[in-house]
This record gives sequence, structure tokens and C-alpha cells, in this order.
Amino acid sequence: QSALTQPASVSGSPGQSITISCTGTSSDVGGYNYVSWYQQHPGKAPKLMIYDVSNRPSGVSNRFSGSKSGNTASLTISGLQAEDEADYYCNSYTTNSALLFGGGTKLTVL
Amino acid sequence: EVQLVESGGGLVKPGGSLRLSCAASGFTFSSYNMNWVRQAPGKGLEWVSSIISSRNYIYYADSVKGRFTISRDNAKNSLYLQMSSLRAEDTAVYYCAREMMQSPDALDIWGQGTMVTVSS
Repeated sequence: QSALTQPASVSGSPGQSITISCTGTSSDVGGYNYVSWYQQHPGKAPKLMIYDVSNRPSGVSNRFSGSKSGNTASLTISGLQAEDEADYYCNSYTTNSALLFGGGTKLTVL
Repeated sequence: EVQLVESGGGLVKPGGSLRLSCAASGFTFSSYNMNWVRQAPGKGLEWVSSIISSRNYIYYADSVKGRFTISRDNAKNSLYLQMSSLRAEDTAVYYCAREMMQSPDALDIWGQGTMVTVSS
């Protein structure tokens, strides 16, 4: 199964909002409300930021939000801050009961 | 403190075997589904395998099916990954991760990872 499709990179200035897309198929993103997003800083383990499309775990800033339309999920970060600079990965449950990650997006805060 | 600690990584020759362990603490390990996720150097995340809390169901990525075996010992609060017929493309940091209850997409607790290098 091919990875979910994410843009390789996005950038924004402090205070701005950015959106990262994650495109799959009806067998994964489009078929379930089980999409999650992870933040990973260099040399660190991934951190769960959004789960079940739009839910935030306790302790995650409300500047992070998630949504889904059809086969595409999106992560929006508002009020961009320097510490948001990291790699972001989406993940979806699939019809095979497997998990499928996106290729990752590098966020640069200008 | 809720924690996962992986161990067992190292350098192994192509065709060789290695067993990774993941020690859980700070939560009721037996109640949670667990996963292994890997990340090749400079690459993205790749899901490897998952095991249901009751050990009734096990799933693998196609890339490791038939070569890797996931298991758990709920009495020892431990997760394992037995890797055999290792290939260069299996070189990666291997993370164990806890799956949130009722949310199969949500890996909410991750270990620090253990590096596996497959090279002659």
C-alpha cells in the first residue's frame, strides 16, 4: 500500500496559519474517521497532535486543528510559532486493519 | 509516569535475526493494543505491526509479513518484535507505541526508539 500523500514542505511566518493536506483513498482516509497527525522534532519520537480526524489529546494547544473532506484530511496550525517548526505526519486506519502513514511534511517557520 | 522503553537494537548482517523488546510502565499494559513503527534514516514513519490487547489479533505491514513476529507478555508488561531474514531496507529506528482505546489511528505514547542496522 502506498503512503498517504502529503506536501513535502510548507512554510509560514510567525502568527500566520498554515494547512497541511493528507490525501488517501476510500480504503483509508475516506473510509473511516480514524485519521491522526503527529509532530516530530529532529532526533525525537513523534508526538500525537490530532486523532480521530479532529480531536486533540490533553495538553495539545488549541492552535492545532484537524478536518476531513472525502479522501483528504487536513491539519491547520494557527498563530504559527517558532517551536511549531518540525516534521508532520498524517496516519490513517485502513480496510486491512493496518495503519498507513503519509510521507511527511517539513514545516518551516520563516 | 507513563513510559515505553525499547531495547535490543544493534548491528546485524543481512539474513540475520534480532529481537526487540519494549518495557511498559505507568499504565495497565494488558488493556491496550500496541504497535511497532519504524523510521529509516532521513525517511518518514512506517507502521510495522500491531497486536491487540488480548493477543487475539495481530497485523503486519506487507513489507515485513512472514519475516517479523510481534508478541506480548502482559504479565511482564512487555512487547516484542522478533525480526528474521533481515534486509538492508529494514535499517531504521524502531519505536513501540501505545494505541489509544477506541481509536485505532491514535498512537498516544511512544518510546525513544532503538536503532537497527542491517549491514555486512
